[in-house]
Amino acid sequence: DAGVIQSPRHEVTEMGQEVTLRCKPISGHNSLFWYRQTMMRGLELLIYFNNNVPIDDSGMPEDRFSAKMPNASFSTLKIQPSEPRDSAVYFCASSLGSPRTEAFFGQGTRLTVV
Amino acid sequence: DAKTTQPNSMESNEEEPVHLPCNHSTISGTDYIHWYRQLPSQGPEYVIHGLTSNVNNRMASLAIAEDRKSSTLILHRATLRDAAVYYCIGNQAGTALIFGKGTTLSVSS
Repeated sequence: DAGVIQSPRHEVTEMGQEVTLRCKPISGHNSLFWYRQTMMRGLELLIYFNNNVPIDDSGMPEDRFSAKMPNASFSTLKIQPSEPRDSAVYFCASSLGSPRTEAFFGQGTRLTVV
Repeated sequence: DAKTTQPNSMESNEEEPVHLPCNHSTISGTDYIHWYRQLPSQGPEYVIHGLTSNVNNRMASLAIAEDRKSSTLILHRATLRDAAVYYCIGNQAGTALIFGKGTTLSVSS
């Protein structure tokens, strides 16, 4: 398996523009997570899906952020409109959904909003 | 998730063992203890996890205190490639991993 695949790897956009980050989890995994990492705040959980259903979205900063998982093999994280403070590395991870198993992380998308 | 406490940083020399401590005094009986690490410019990667018994794998060993209020990640022979941030996480079933600040491990040759 190629692991968790995120795209794009880097994104530079202007403030106010819509940004869409994409994630393909490992086949067979039923849990998917989106995290954001900055120097100031560390690695923060944004949202957690199980069987394509959002279970915990308490980490989503505000209404500008939305995440979808239309099927088991694809998820998106959208920011509209983007702001400079959204600049961060966004990670997607997937797992079999049990605390007895490991989560696998993608390489991340580095987002810069200017 | 159970709150965990780790030292901010630790140093080691290459080829020496490293013991990374973690306190998790509020852990519940069903919380698993997970360790992940994050190498520079990469996403976190799984290291090891356990519930009550000590665990070994090709990367490391996990020693869990009998009262489960603390654990220690053991790297048997540190290499330069082990320099990373190591995160200790107490994880409940049905919840996501919550990362703290972790321990930054430096390895010198």
